[in-house]
Amino acid sequence: SQQGEEDPQALSIQEGENATMNCSYKTSINNLQWYRQNSGRGLVHLILIRSNEREKHSGRLRVTLDTSKKSSSLLITASRAADTASYFCATLSYNTDKLIFGTGTRLQVFP
Amino acid sequence: EAGVTQFPSHSVIEKGQTVTLRCDPISGHDNLYWYRRVMGKEIKFLLHFVKESKQDESGMPNNRFLAERTGGTYSTLKVQPAELEDSGVYFCASSQFYGVGGFSGANVLTFGAGSRLTVL
Repeated sequence: SQQGEEDPQALSIQEGENATMNCSYKTSINNLQWYRQNSGRGLVHLILIRSNEREKHSGRLRVTLDTSKKSSSLLITASRAADTASYFCATLSYNTDKLIFGTGTRLQVFP
Repeated sequence: EAGVTQFPSHSVIEKGQTVTLRCDPISGHDNLYWYRRVMGKEIKFLLHFVKESKQDESGMPNNRFLAERTGGTYSTLKVQPAELEDSGVYFCASSQFYGVGGFSGANVLTFGAGSRLTVL
């Protein structure tokens, strides 16, 4: 069965605000990745965090990973209207090349 | 560098008909994946090719779905006969292959734009 679950399912904020999305998973992982999907387009890789890392930054993105709770969060700071998209977490377990995705969080940023 | 391309972008067919989706991965990417997203649900893994071999097809729903990757280049996913529940967006993705678990365990995927299938 698929194991990623994002929370919330949908999030609406104003430009300039921060957006936080959470992801929970079930099994031990090698790494966890976040992807973004704009409407009608494919998924785009945003950031990867390994199981031995706790926090990672990339521009306005901040990802945390808590392997004891099997959860991750994605923070987008100073959001822009262009950040409007669906965001998915995906996990890669050991001894596999299969990424397992969750249900996604739909983010709407109003100008 | 060309990305992952999928064709068609949208297909509308009647129940019982056949549809074939095509995916051209990034040149040199031996890993090729098919995923499907049904409205509002998770992006579900269907199968994984390494070159022309099926590494993992545990996500294929049933024997109405047939995936091929002859010559280890492009891949096709055929649905025959299509049912209403097959509707959704089918994504193809590719990545380089470094052995199971990946080179330093990464395996970052590049996705195509998806093929939307509507079965009426």
